[in-house]
Amino acid sequence: DSGVTQTPKHLITATGQRVTLRCSPRSGDLSVYWYQQSLDQGLQFLIQYYNGEERAKGNILERFSAQQFPDLHSELNLSSLELGDSALYFCASSVGPSGNQETQYFGPGTRLLVL
Amino acid sequence: QQPVQSPQAVILREGEDAVINCSSSKALYSVHWYRQKHGEAPVFLMILLKGGEQKGHDKISASFNEKKQQSSLYLTASQLSYSGTYFCGTEIIGRGSTLGRLYFGRGTQLTVWP
Repeated sequence: DSGVTQTPKHLITATGQRVTLRCSPRSGDLSVYWYQQSLDQGLQFLIQYYNGEERAKGNILERFSAQQFPDLHSELNLSSLELGDSALYFCASSVGPSGNQETQYFGPGTRLLVL
Repeated sequence: QQPVQSPQAVILREGEDAVINCSSSKALYSVHWYRQKHGEAPVFLMILLKGGEQKGHDKISASFNEKKQQSSLYLTASQLSYSGTYFCGTEIIGRGSTLGRLYFGRGTQLTVWP
């Protein structure tokens, strides 16, 4: 158990819908990272937040957005869902601001299936 | 920017050794190694920092050659529990916004048979 929690574990929805994935980092960690894992793309970095502020952006679609709240939990919002958005979404956390040379601990993931 | 891992898959008998390689075209701050079992989250194994160090615990160790931008993961006397997909994540030296971003390889699937 990494100490990172994610809800829900599974999500089944239809195309065009909007969903919210939630992540709570390990106690004491200020950075949260979101990753998408699919069979064809592998593990892809989406976005990072540190202490409530966006820190780095990766291959995140405009239909997706995220935020980190004052209690440090984070939410990833996926809208206008397409079949290709079906994937495992992982959240990871680390202690510091940059994540530079720091260990990232992964949560159990949310499996999203878009029908 | 995605590192290249080799081999794609390895099949071993218990007790045999394996080496998994990770190669980047960019200069690296660090290399992170993870193991993922099917349907589970990646689990951290070790991090290697710029400086060409080698690390290890138990029978799993790794090296990082920053000049060649390469890292290798060594698994010796493999056990059944070593089965899974091994990923390297690389942290690229670049502008500030790249810090903390891990670029993952496509993974090496390791299967250990009794």
